[in-house]
Amino acid sequence: AQSVSQHNHHVILSEAASLELGCNYSYGGTVNLFWYVQYPGQHLQLLLKYFSGDPLVKGIKGFEAEFIKSKFSFNLRKPSVQWSDTAEYFCAVMGYGGATNKLIFGTGTLLAVQP
Amino acid sequence: KAGVTQTPRYLIKTRGQQVTLSCSPISGHRSVSWYQQTPGQGLQFLFEYFSETQRNKGNFPGRFSGRQFSNSRSEMNVSTLELGDSALYLCASSLGDSPPETQYFGPGTRLLVL
Repeated sequence: AQSVSQHNHHVILSEAASLELGCNYSYGGTVNLFWYVQYPGQHLQLLLKYFSGDPLVKGIKGFEAEFIKSKFSFNLRKPSVQWSDTAEYFCAVMGYGGATNKLIFGTGTLLAVQP
Repeated sequence: KAGVTQTPRYLIKTRGQQVTLSCSPISGHRSVSWYQQTPGQGLQFLFEYFSETQRNKGNFPGRFSGRQFSNSRSEMNVSTLELGDSALYLCASSLGDSPPETQYFGPGTRLLVL
């Protein structure tokens, strides 16, 4: 079955600390990968995406993620977090074939950054 | 460009009633997908519509239905509401012509079933 696992449910960091959120997926085929972010009281926003090419992708607000095909992983990183990064982060996968835009989401990671 | 809009933003219903939620996609987008977000189950795909046709469906009972109009606006309907239907319902749009594509989400409709 297709699934996405996010290992960290809650993460608490101090400002300027480095961040890495894990994401592993299970999907029998070629995939597109996404990280979305949901700030408090706001709607789900696209942080970054991987479709093909360079497995290291850069997104908004200094975030980046690396697609490691052999590990079925797409971990999110940021070298130095800010208080404004406090939000819930969702990893998602969308498969090729089937002519559909169905996203399968992980359960999310709640990040709290302490000033 | 205006983003995805959803109406209403908040809704309170009682068990057994039915509800209709509306979604207007980004101008030029012809694919609309619906998701249910709950604390227990997370974000789950309900269905996707493209050119007024349902293109894919998630694992939800038949009480959940949807449709899309010729202007790409979409509605979803939940009949015979249950307490467990309380959730944030999110709509997402994309161009639709050549999936897989990036989806852009609206603010959601928060439904409370009493």
